Amino acid sequence: SAVISQKPSRDICQRGTSLTIQCQVDSQVTMMFWYRQQPGQSLTLIATANQGSEATYESGFVIDKFPISRPNLTFSTLTVSNMSPEDSSIYLCSVSDGLIGNQPQHFGDGTRLSIL
Amino acid sequence: GEDVEQSLFLSVREGDSSVINCTYTDSSSTYLYWYKQEPGAGLQLLTYIFSNMDMKQDQRLTVLLNKKDKHLSLRIADTQTGDSAIYFCAVTDSWGKLQFGAGTQVVVTP
Repeated sequence: SAVISQKPSRDICQRGTSLTIQCQVDSQVTMMFWYRQQPGQSLTLIATANQGSEATYESGFVIDKFPISRPNLTFSTLTVSNMSPEDSSIYLCSVSDGLIGNQPQHFGDGTRLSIL
Repeated sequence: GEDVEQSLFLSVREGDSSVINCTYTDSSSTYLYWYKQEPGAGLQLLTYIFSNMDMKQDQRLTVLLNKKDKHLSLRIADTQTGDSAIYFCAVTDSWGKLQFGAGTQVVVTP
């Protein structure tokens, strides 16, 4: 299965600032996803990152707050903009194996974000 | 939308078997997954089952799927202290997206 690297692994940020999280995969994948896991909660899908087109956002998430880039088949970024303490969460990147759709999803180790 | 439900907590003695249960509502789910999350770590894909299967065994792990009842279970044989973690059930919804349960905290006691 694909090996997924996320950077940074954790950060502490001031409110009002923005942070960009990187997700690098060791093989080409069609589907990349960004999730949020709030403290003590399950995972919520933020958006699906599509190569060569705009990301597809889930209800409750907007591009201005969570801009996403997907410049190629092995890399994506998620920016958390104008952060507030409510954005303190783990942000996880996942990929669906290979270039064929509907394959099992694998996750990176996540970025633990705390906003003061 | 898809609802995925799990019990929140399970305590098990070391060496015993653990059974974690999950129910879901979307009968069109294609893949059904079990993920493990250890403290401070991301999600590790433990195992998954395709919807046309009833059972899948992988070493100490056995997944059972009852499509009629929309019930998925994960059995861990000979549970070890390293199995202490949160276990998430996840299913694909009709759009192919993953829907997660709330997670079951498994605590293994000596």
